[in-house]
Amino acid sequence: EVQLLESGGGLVQPGGSLRLSCVASGFSFSSSAMSWVRQAPGKGLEWVSGISGSGGFTYYADSVKGRFLISRDNSKNTLYLQMNSLRAEDTAVYYCAKPLGSEYYYGMDVWGQGTTVTVSS
Amino acid sequence: QSVLTQPPSVSGAPGQRVTISCTGSSSNIGAGYDVHWYQQLPGTAPKLLIYRNNNRPSGVPDRFSGSKSGTSASLAITGLQAEDEADYYCQSYDSRLSGSVFGGGTKLTVL
Repeated sequence: EVQLLESGGGLVQPGGSLRLSCVASGFSFSSSAMSWVRQAPGKGLEWVSGISGSGGFTYYADSVKGRFLISRDNSKNTLYLQMNSLRAEDTAVYYCAKPLGSEYYYGMDVWGQGTTVTVSS
Repeated sequence: QSVLTQPPSVSGAPGQRVTISCTGSSSNIGAGYDVHWYQQLPGTAPKLLIYRNNNRPSGVPDRFSGSKSGTSASLAITGLQAEDEADYYCQSYDSRLSGSVFGGGTKLTVL
């Protein structure tokens, strides 16, 4: 079964850091680009970051550029999102997602269950 | 303000047909980038409904269809059912932003 399982969410103070993880199973992880998408409470979906299958190419939304870092360990079938200098507006459910195709911006056919990040003092 | 514009809400009676629009610009849909559509039920992760403008993943009923023209795209749902009540999002790529973009979402109410 194709599956994505996120972890690492929690409560963090403004200015703090958090690292999210997403463990993949059931597909060729190293061959697949991946993305992180978030959803603030009561709001719509927002693409956050994408990464190529090799990890050599990374992409970020302007809202997180310079603060977040996406990476992957293909030996562990795991995707990461290192979040630094967190702000209240980063509060959201964070999903990892796999695109149906070779590019991170293709339609995403597999989603994790999401992990909740709350930035508050 | 989302790069892709969707109506906040649409509604229809069971059995009817509804459409949800997704309006972009020359840097995304108008530039030829594909549009994808998602359905999100309350409290759940999004589900891919339509990919590459008009393709349905396995398991998605043919009541759902997509189209694209110029700087806009549309999702059509025919034979509306109560379980179709959900939020719907369009997604594409924007060359000016160099990233993926979503529409603001449309809440579908089945009357």
